[in-house]
Amino acid sequence: QKEVEQDPGPLSVPEGAIVSLNCTYSNSAFQYFMWYRQYSRKGPELLMYTYSSGNKEDGRFTAQVDKSSKYISLFIRDSQPSDSATYLCAMINTGNQFYFGTGTSLTVIP
Amino acid sequence: DTAVSQTPKYLVTQMGNDKSIKCEQNLGHDTMYWYKQDSKKFLKIMFSYNNKELIINETVPNRFSPKSPDKAHLNLHINSLELGDSAVYFCASSQGGDRGSYTFGSGTRLTVV
Repeated sequence: QKEVEQDPGPLSVPEGAIVSLNCTYSNSAFQYFMWYRQYSRKGPELLMYTYSSGNKEDGRFTAQVDKSSKYISLFIRDSQPSDSATYLCAMINTGNQFYFGTGTSLTVIP
Repeated sequence: DTAVSQTPKYLVTQMGNDKSIKCEQNLGHDTMYWYKQDSKKFLKIMFSYNNKELIINETVPNRFSPKSPDKAHLNLHINSLELGDSAVYFCASSQGGDRGSYTFGSGTRLTVV
């Protein structure tokens, strides 16, 4: 079993839809959780960075962490065509090691 | 049976030295990448190779030179190391270009003293 599992998609939604992106993990030592967005031919940009269980909101983006279920989510409200990208989840364990999901390819159709 | 392996995991070296980081993937992916991660967890793409051909070459000092002997390997050579080169460097691979499914290596923590 991989340390971090992420559905690679691809995911296509109509403009204005709510998008839910998810990752599960197996190691309870993970303590920091991140979401990156990567546009085609660009490097990943850090979108959200969370530590504790619960929700963190930033504009149209909400990151949710459920440590008891070992599950993290990124919600995008009122999705826009400019949100079309690959979204990567990443986690850091207590040894400061990084683990990445495989990325989910999202297309928002106008 | 590690999918993307990079060596070494840790590298401590003095300023001015030349060092290499190696990356190998056994997934049969056609695209490989090198990223630099800064202290704030931001990932910056450095290079991308598709079937041994350089397709992304971001603005990095020409002291950094990638080498891809075959599509399963992408090595990073750094000349005249500087203090600012200290970072974690990640190798990754994907199939089907940069919208494909990624697999990352575990990272190489480079410390220049």
